[in-house]
Amino acid sequence: AQTVTQSQPEMSVQEAETVTLSCTYDTSESDYYLFWYKQPPSRQMILVIRQEAYKQQNATENRFSVNFQKAAKSFSLKISDSQLGDAAMYFCAYTPQETSGSRLTFGEGTQLTVNP
Amino acid sequence: GAVVSQHPSRVICKSGTSVKIECRSLDFQATTMFWYRQFPKQSLMLMATSNEGSKATYEQGVEKDKFLINHASLTLSTLTVTSAHPEDSSFYICSASKAAGYYGYTFGSGTRLTVV
Repeated sequence: AQTVTQSQPEMSVQEAETVTLSCTYDTSESDYYLFWYKQPPSRQMILVIRQEAYKQQNATENRFSVNFQKAAKSFSLKISDSQLGDAAMYFCAYTPQETSGSRLTFGEGTQLTVNP
Repeated sequence: GAVVSQHPSRVICKSGTSVKIECRSLDFQATTMFWYRQFPKQSLMLMATSNEGSKATYEQGVEKDKFLINHASLTLSTLTVTSAHPEDSSFYICSASKAAGYYGYTFGSGTRLTVV
């Protein structure tokens, strides 16, 4: 069974600094998709970034980038120039297929605090 | 982009009554929707997979007679908590996707259920 592990229950960063959130996963699939979701205090789940396993290039979305290490089954999220609005719970997630019926497996989450 | 609407956002009900939560995909057809339950500061726990026109698939340990799921159309899935009790109080979230791997999943805004 696929599992997703986030080993950092809590992280903090100073405003304008950079922080990296860790995620590891376990799968026997060769093709799959990885995501980082953000859940602010409103509890609305927001997609931050996605990565296709068959692409070697790391995904980037503005201040958010990932370090995808397929062999190590690692998928960390780097947030640059942290802003107060980045404070949230961050979840790493995995799905093995592209179809709409493919379920997501979530990690336990990392609570990020941004200090002014 | 894909939008999923979930209602109500908050509901308080008396113990023993039933509560219905609606999840609608507004701008795409969702043959599959997912229902999650989330406790404070914890990850999302998948309760069931809702399939249009067929019975839902429940995760192990989830009572299908307690949590009734109906997916009568390609844009609407409902979760009914029957004979609710205080221990059913939680945050419930639905999600859907056009194509999971490519677009990621879109989540409803969630429903906070309080049973008194």
